[in-house]
Amino acid sequence: AQSVTQLGSHVSVSEGALVLLRCNYSSSVPPYLFWYVQYPNQGLQLLLKYTSAATLVKGINGFEAEFKKSETSFHLTKPSAHMSDAAEYFCAVSMGGGADGLTFGKGTHLIIQP
Amino acid sequence: EAGVAQSPRYKIIEKRQSVAFWCNPISGHATLYWYQQILGQGPKLLIQFQNNGVVDDSQLPKDRFSAERLKGVDSTLKIQPAKLEDSAVYLCASSLGAGGWEQYFGPGTRLTVT
Repeated sequence: AQSVTQLGSHVSVSEGALVLLRCNYSSSVPPYLFWYVQYPNQGLQLLLKYTSAATLVKGINGFEAEFKKSETSFHLTKPSAHMSDAAEYFCAVSMGGGADGLTFGKGTHLIIQP
Repeated sequence: EAGVAQSPRYKIIEKRQSVAFWCNPISGHATLYWYQQILGQGPKLLIQFQNNGVVDDSQLPKDRFSAERLKGVDSTLKIQPAKLEDSAVYLCASSLGAGGWEQYFGPGTRLTVT
């Protein structure tokens, strides 16, 4: 069974600093990988998606993630944090095919210090 | 384009009562998912529909949970009888099809079982 591990349930950075949220997956074959963001009392919004076309994926709001097969990682980064980035971030994996429900990590709460 | 609609947004019931949630996916989306998100955790897939057929319900507690998508459009998820541990946010998502397509999430229904 596939699984996702997000290191750090809470990450705190200063406004303007680099954001790095870590995600490792376990899968026997290259999966589809996703990062979602969730603001309080809202549903999940897709930030970006890896589908094997390119290892460096650019998403919305200045976020990007790099797929590293050798490390089974898909870490999310943003060069300069903004106060509006404060939210919960989830990494998820899907094997594609017919049954492609997402398996999510436990999430990382991103705190932005002024 | 209208997003995924869910109702009600909030529901409070006593244990052993029954409850139903409704989801209307984005028009034209063939695939519909129900996820359960317990506080402090990532969403967990309960069931996936492709049109009106069930693709994956391996994590659905079938002794108390049921779901249907009779006409291949909107869907209902029912819990009967509810337990305290069912307190969670129930998220509905839809996608154009299965196989790694982006899933669009609704705002969720927050269920509290007392």
